[in-house]
Amino acid sequence: EVQLVQSGAEVKKPGESLKISCKASGYSFPNYWIGWVRQMPGKGLEWMGIIYPGDSDTRYSPSFQGQVTISADRSINTAYLQWSSLKASDTAMYYCSRHVSPNSETYSAYWGQGTLVTVSS
Amino acid sequence: DIVMTQSPDSLAVSLGERATINCKSSQSILYSSNNKNYLAWFQQKPGQPPKLLIYWASTRESGVPDRFSGSGSGTDFTLTISSLQAEDVAVYYCQQYYFTLPTFGGGTKVEIK
Repeated sequence: EVQLVQSGAEVKKPGESLKISCKASGYSFPNYWIGWVRQMPGKGLEWMGIIYPGDSDTRYSPSFQGQVTISADRSINTAYLQWSSLKASDTAMYYCSRHVSPNSETYSAYWGQGTLVTVSS
Repeated sequence: DIVMTQSPDSLAVSLGERATINCKSSQSILYSSNNKNYLAWFQQKPGQPPKLLIYWASTRESGVPDRFSGSGSGTDFTLTISSLQAEDVAVYYCQQYYFTLPTFGGGTKVEIK
């Protein structure tokens, strides 16, 4: 059974750094694209970026390029989303999601439970 | 980027009545080599991650009730709930996956009238 288990909620101050995680199980982690989706309070879903753990090929949405870093550690089947300097506007729920098949152009069928990030002074 | 535009932003439908949600892409998401439309529909309820309903524009995910159906091709797509049930109250999103990094529509909130 495919499972994506995300790290717990975080409360941070503006300017702090943060790295959240998404641990995958039940499939061959290197072979499937896995990405991150932001949902700001009361708002819609936004794809931030996606990574292929097999070769670390990473694609970012223009809105998030340079604002976050997506990475993956094949040795522990875990994908990451990190910020070097958080802003209040980063307050949101973040979901990881895996494509249904190894193909690059396919739909996202599996979702983590979400990680709530709150940035407040 | 392909921009996905949904309409309406919200709609209220009586129990048992039909709900129709529209989604338009800024460019065709029909791949000519396999004649497939790279479009999915998701349902999201409060406090939950999105749930896949439809893929390839019209293929229902396993376990999804048959009152949900998807149609359309090229740039214009529709999600129809044929007979709205109380448990269908949610926000619905279309998503293109023509490119490796997908994009969502803005969402449509469905409520009971």
